Amino acid sequence: KQEVTQIPAALSVPEGENLVLNCSFTDSAIYNLQWFRQDPGKGLTSLLLIQSSQREQTSGRLNASLDKSSGRSTLYIAASQPGDSATYLCAVRGISGGSNYKLTFGKGTLLTVNP
Amino acid sequence: DTAVSQTPKYLVTQMGNDKSIKCEQNLGHDTMYWYKQDSKKFLKIMFSYNNKELIINETVPNRFSPKSPDKAHLNLHINSLELGDSAVYFCASSQDPTGTYGYTFGSGTRLTVV
Repeated sequence: KQEVTQIPAALSVPEGENLVLNCSFTDSAIYNLQWFRQDPGKGLTSLLLIQSSQREQTSGRLNASLDKSSGRSTLYIAASQPGDSATYLCAVRGISGGSNYKLTFGKGTLLTVNP
Repeated sequence: DTAVSQTPKYLVTQMGNDKSIKCEQNLGHDTMYWYKQDSKKFLKIMFSYNNKELIINETVPNRFSPKSPDKAHLNLHINSLELGDSAVYFCASSQDPTGTYGYTFGSGTRLTVV
């Protein structure tokens, strides 16, 4: 059964700092991995999607890497801004057994960027 | 705007009532999902439909019944609501069941059972 863990659970940084959010998963047989952000009381916004054959994806100040063999992904945020404050969720799409067609989510990292 | 739309956004109801949440996507996707986010913020899948056919049915009480009248709509009906059903319910869609192109989520329905 796939399990996704995100570390740290919460992170508070001053504006302008570069930071890294971590995601690990127990079953390396994944189809893809997606990073989302969730603002309080709002839905999920897709940030980056990495296919299992890819090593990283970039969008603006965000860079996500994937090391499938070790079951890890990182989300790097450069020059953080107060508007980046949100919960960041990592989700993997499995390819084996009961994980087929399902996204398994981590519990998220609550990021606060202080002005 | 192309999106996944859910209604209502908030729902407060008494124990024992029956309620429905509606979801519509105009993205042209074939596959739709219902996820539940509990008080610990954990998101777990409940159901998935591909082109109106049920393809995922997790261990969910049979008080929960999804209905997909067409591939752009997936509704969730809940009978005999219980306190433990209080959560945020998210609808999502993907182009196909593989999720190759990622998933798009709605803004959620916050259900409070009192």
